[in-house]
Amino acid sequence: NAGVTQTPKFQVLKTGQSMTLQCAQDMNHNSMYWYRQDPGMGLRLIYYSASEGTTDKGEVPNGYNVSRLNKREFSLRLESAAPSQTSVYFCASTEGQGVGAGELFFGEGSRLTVL
Amino acid sequence: DAKTTQPPSMDCAEGRAANLPCNHSTISGNEYVYWYRQIHSQGPQYIIHGLKNNETNEMASLIITEDRKSSTLILPHATLRDTAVYYCIVNRGSQGNLIFGKGTKLSVKP
Repeated sequence: NAGVTQTPKFQVLKTGQSMTLQCAQDMNHNSMYWYRQDPGMGLRLIYYSASEGTTDKGEVPNGYNVSRLNKREFSLRLESAAPSQTSVYFCASTEGQGVGAGELFFGEGSRLTVL
Repeated sequence: DAKTTQPPSMDCAEGRAANLPCNHSTISGNEYVYWYRQIHSQGPQYIIHGLKNNETNEMASLIITEDRKSSTLILPHATLRDTAVYYCIVNRGSQGNLIFGKGTKLSVKP
């Protein structure tokens, strides 16, 4: 059982480049989330998907887009990367439907540096 | 608005119980208390949650005071692998998502 798998684990981009972070879960969970974690800031919610086919903005959605490709996969896209998007990105999922579910399963993180 | 208060850091001797406190004096009646931990730079890991009653699982015990204004996470026999940042969470954002604050950095020492 892999749980939540994120790719890539590390990425370096130049300002203005685009990229997509991939996330897949094999637990048949309904809800999936993207967080970012910056030093001293805790985790902040970027976007979430309460169920297949739906997505909603979190606390810090600007500069990002998401796609819930199917029940397993939830991708995060940076269309034009900026240095302020240098961060560690975590994908998470939960069985419950909706953003309020409490037992979240997290991936190992994707470390992104924008130069 | 921080709804939880945790000490920034704590030390614990290996093999002893680690007791991590959390104050949540403004918790409302239907809000759960969740505990997660984050080891080094890994993804956060769910530990336990509770509403009113004390809870225990294979990882830890959660003791919630009768007035629900504070709680304690207990790791009964701490090991070096329990060194991590521990998050006590009751706060939710505008979308209902759990908000992770700064947590307590627990260092288990040999």
